[in-house]
Amino acid sequence: EAGVTQFPSHSVIEKGQTVTLRCDPISGHDNLYWYRRVMGKEIKFLLHFVKESKQDESGMPNNRFLAERTGGTYSTLKVQPAELEDSGVYFCASSPGTSGIFSYNEQFFGPGTRLTVL
Amino acid sequence: AQSVTQLGSHVSVSEGALVLLRCNYSSSVPPYLFWYVQYPNQGLQLLLKYTSAATLVKGINGFEAEFKKSETSFHLTKPSAHMSDAAEYFCAVSSNQAGTALIFGKGTTLSVSS
Repeated sequence: EAGVTQFPSHSVIEKGQTVTLRCDPISGHDNLYWYRRVMGKEIKFLLHFVKESKQDESGMPNNRFLAERTGGTYSTLKVQPAELEDSGVYFCASSPGTSGIFSYNEQFFGPGTRLTVL
Repeated sequence: AQSVTQLGSHVSVSEGALVLLRCNYSSSVPPYLFWYVQYPNQGLQLLLKYTSAATLVKGINGFEAEFKKSETSFHLTKPSAHMSDAAEYFCAVSSNQAGTALIFGKGTTLSVSS
């Protein structure tokens, strides 16, 4: 079974440009998460999809970030326009659908996309 | 609110020595606790998890962690370090509600010398 994949693995762009990151979750996983790690800081939650719906987007830093998950399969995270402080590693994770309110579902992480904004 | 503190951004041990990576958490609800490991150029891999069953949790690659509610700790240990254990380790907490986000500590880089 393929794991979570992310594309591209690295991206270097100029300030003001647009970048789109893609995440393909494990097939059949309803939950998809985006996280970000800025250099020297902790990994921080950005948002959570359940199928195609945004369940929680409380971690999105500002309206320059737009996430979509059309059809409940892969997801994209667009940054437009990019700023220097957007540099970091963007992780995607997925987990199966829930079977109960207290059930636990492991989040499986992708390798991340390293974004550098110059 | 929940938070995680990992004491020590870098830990160095000799091969064969005990590995101890410290994690303290803060949570206003019963927590789920996790340790993830990231090897170079790879994604995060789950080492072990505490989800309110046994307080001593055994994970992969010989690692284990003990949930101590009175100390709000979830330290990661391994009796004997291998060179292959060199990686970055992350402690994380979430609520016990299914599907909630993980809150991570800043990570601890483990170096193992021969």
